This record gives sequence, structure tokens and C-alpha cells, in this order.
Amino acid sequence: GDSVTQMEGPVTLSEEAFLTINCTYTATGYPSLFWYVQYPGEGLQLLLKATKADDKGSNKGFEATYRKETTSFHLEKGSVQVSDSAVYFCALRGRQGAQKLVFGQGTRLTINP
Amino acid sequence: EAQVTQNPRYLITVTGKKLTVTCSQNMNHEYMSWYRQDPGLGLRQIYYSMNVEVTDKGDVPEGYKVSRKEKRNFPLILESPSPNQTSLYFCASRHQQQQGGEQFFGPGTRLTVL
Repeated sequence: GDSVTQMEGPVTLSEEAFLTINCTYTATGYPSLFWYVQYPGEGLQLLLKATKADDKGSNKGFEATYRKETTSFHLEKGSVQVSDSAVYFCALRGRQGAQKLVFGQGTRLTINP
Repeated sequence: EAQVTQNPRYLITVTGKKLTVTCSQNMNHEYMSWYRQDPGLGLRQIYYSMNVEVTDKGDVPEGYKVSRKEKRNFPLILESPSPNQTSLYFCASRHQQQQGGEQFFGPGTRLTVL
């Protein structure tokens, strides 16, 4: 079945550091790919998405490119802020199993001032 | 404001005492679902509904029931809760036809079963 694997956390960085959170997936066909963010005490919010190969999703300085050849959707940000501290989830929705999102285990990110 | 609401936000109960977590959305979404979030496991789908009176099992449905009598509401029912159902629960909704569309999540319900 479809699956998502994220780099394990927690990840701790200093403010203005470069961020990469790795995400790889296994799916049949051409899934849609998502990054969700969960701030402390809140529900999940969509951060960005890409629906086909080579698409780049971007939002709030974060970017991720849909790489079919490496089945990856790594999240990057050039200069993180303390307010970026949250849990980040990579997820996919497969064409065949389009009724649900399949999530990675989440990566907790802490940014120190 | 477009939103998904859940109640209660926090609940502590005892084994075997039936409970219901309510979920409501105001976006006229056809598709609604319930997830549970556990450390190291991400979110796993419990049940989903594609429209009124249409529900189906997700990946971890054991011990849960749902109903969809109205489009906006999708309650999660635990008939006889057990400690292994202690978790953080999220309700979500989206438009059915949009495969790449955004799924909106509620704020979560933290359940503790003693």
C-alpha cells in the first residue's frame, strides 16, 4: 500500500539556519503530495502541495518539489524563524486510494533564537 | 469563517463509558473523516464518509463507530472505550471531487481513557 517516510526528529536549529526535512513516498500511479504543519495545541494546516511531477509547492518561504524519479518531496526553507517551530507532516493522496491522506510520522522542529 | 469544529477539546473518561466526539463543518464539504494521532505513527484514518449516509472504514476502525445523518456533522462514537484509545483525534473535511484539494482539519480532541 501507499506509504510516506519522513526524516526522524526532533530537529533543532538556530534562527536563520537552512532547513531541510526529507520525505520519500511509495505509491502506485501519480499521487498528490502535501506538507501539513501543526503548531502547538492546534490542528493541522496545509502548508503547501504539488499535484504532479516537477511541480514546486511554496508558501511562507517554504518550498518542496515533487520528484518522481526519486519519489521524494523534501521540505526546505532558506532562513527559519522561531515562529516556524512546529510539527511537520508529509502526506500523499493516491489516485487509487483517493479517499484518505497517508501521513508520515511527523517531524518536530524547534528553532532557537 | 470556514472551519471544522470539534467538541470536546479535552476529555478524560474511564474504561467502558460510552462517549461521543462531535465534528461539524460549515463549508458544505461532501467528504469527512476521522484520524487519530499517536507519537511516532503520524495520523491514521479511522473512518470516512463520502456523503450523507455513506460511511466506510479507514485503517484503524476497531472500537469506533460513526454516523453521517447530516452533511455538516460527523460524530465519532466510542461505545466502550479502552485505554488503547487514548489519543489525539482529528476530524477533517474537503470537497469530494478535488483529488488535489485541501483537507481542512479541526483543532483536535485529546482523549484519555483510564
